[in-house]
Amino acid sequence: SQTIHQWPATLVQPVGSPLSLECTVEGTSNPNLYWYRQAAGRGLQLLFYSVGIGQISSEVPQNLSASRPQDRQFILSSKKLLLSDSGFYLCAWSVGRQPQHFGDGTRLSIL
Amino acid sequence: SQQGEEDPQALSIQEGENATMNCSYKTSINNLQWYRQNSGRGLVHLILIRSNEREKHSGRLRVTLDTSKKSSSLLITASRAADTASYFCATGGTGANNLFFGTGTRLTVIP
Repeated sequence: SQTIHQWPATLVQPVGSPLSLECTVEGTSNPNLYWYRQAAGRGLQLLFYSVGIGQISSEVPQNLSASRPQDRQFILSSKKLLLSDSGFYLCAWSVGRQPQHFGDGTRLSIL
Repeated sequence: SQQGEEDPQALSIQEGENATMNCSYKTSINNLQWYRQNSGRGLVHLILIRSNEREKHSGRLRVTLDTSKKSSSLLITASRAADTASYFCATGGTGANNLFFGTGTRLTVIP
């Protein structure tokens, strides 16, 4: 069966520090991969999606970047975090037009 | 914006009652999906209804879709305390498998 792993679960970082969040999927090949951000009590905002290795589409201009070095690995990064980068980050995968499956998220707090 | 909007934002009911949540959206869709999110966790897919379907059932869930009004409803019958969560609708466009999420309805079922 397919599983998705996202880590770390929580992260506290100072302003200006770098960021790397990792997401891996098991049990499927060539999935679509997604990074979302959820502000407290709000819906999800799509940040990046990828349909294949090295293929990244950005939905909103921001301080973050994404990379897909392997078929089932999706990384969210920043060189210098801002206070506004705080939030709950969710990774998801899908195949074709099937529903998306989400990881358990990373709660990022910027101090 | 393609984002959906749920109504109400919050709903509190007694165990055993039915809960109805509504979703409105703005653009043409390929499908509409409902997801559930327990506090601090990832989203779990509940049900998908295609644009050519009007009603769909899954266990205690009933979803309707009215494309002429660009609206959908999610009915949870005989609610249980374990149904307490936030519920999101997400619309899928005719292009890539990107989903656009609403802001959610926070459901509280009181035992």
